[in-house]
Amino acid sequence: DAKTTQPPSMDCAEGRAANLPCNHSTISGNEYVYWYRQIHSQGPQYIIHGLKNNETNEMASLIITEDRKSSTLILPHATLRDTAVYYCIVRSGGSEKLVFGKGTKLTVNP
Amino acid sequence: EADIYQTPRYLVIGTGKKITLECSQTMGHDKMYWYQQDPGMELHLIHYSYGVNSTEKGDLSSESTVSRIRTEHFPLTLESARPSHTSQYLCASSIQGVGNEKLFFGSGTQLSVL
Repeated sequence: DAKTTQPPSMDCAEGRAANLPCNHSTISGNEYVYWYRQIHSQGPQYIIHGLKNNETNEMASLIITEDRKSSTLILPHATLRDTAVYYCIVRSGGSEKLVFGKGTKLTVNP
Repeated sequence: EADIYQTPRYLVIGTGKKITLECSQTMGHDKMYWYQQDPGMELHLIHYSYGVNSTEKGDLSSESTVSRIRTEHFPLTLESARPSHTSQYLCASSIQGVGNEKLFFGSGTQLSVL
């Protein structure tokens, strides 16, 4: 599975959009981009995933560049409860393992 | 919403004791996983299972063992706990498939070995 690079931390004002970047320059054609988040020592929570098209669900939007070498997770109206560590993971559909990196610690400020 | 349960939520135990961390899911998922996470650190995969009677070791070497006798149950056992085993243990499950594989995590067991 391809490796990912994320900034270690980010801040966002409450009510504003949070845009979390992820680089995955070695991604291959059959690898999906997944986003999870972990709120203070709880189990990680699935947010969204995509292959090459942009995706949106009730939690967030995922924008994947045309060359698929990077992506951005967008939380459109961040709340204090969105403060968490966000993990960007790239894996192939047949891979048995989901490898979590260090993620981005997002702090939403009032 | 995911139905995956871990017990106990917290466990404080003395060195040398045998412990079993329980993990159960009611979703009929084939794949189950155990991750280990120290405070502020990354999650590390220590065991996983494709289904009944299937168990594999993960990326991080662990002295723990697992079993998968029933689809819904994936317990983790430490025969002789040591202080170095102090950590949070997270169980997860997912539906087996290609390209659409969401992991559902339990709330974790925080283990402290004195």
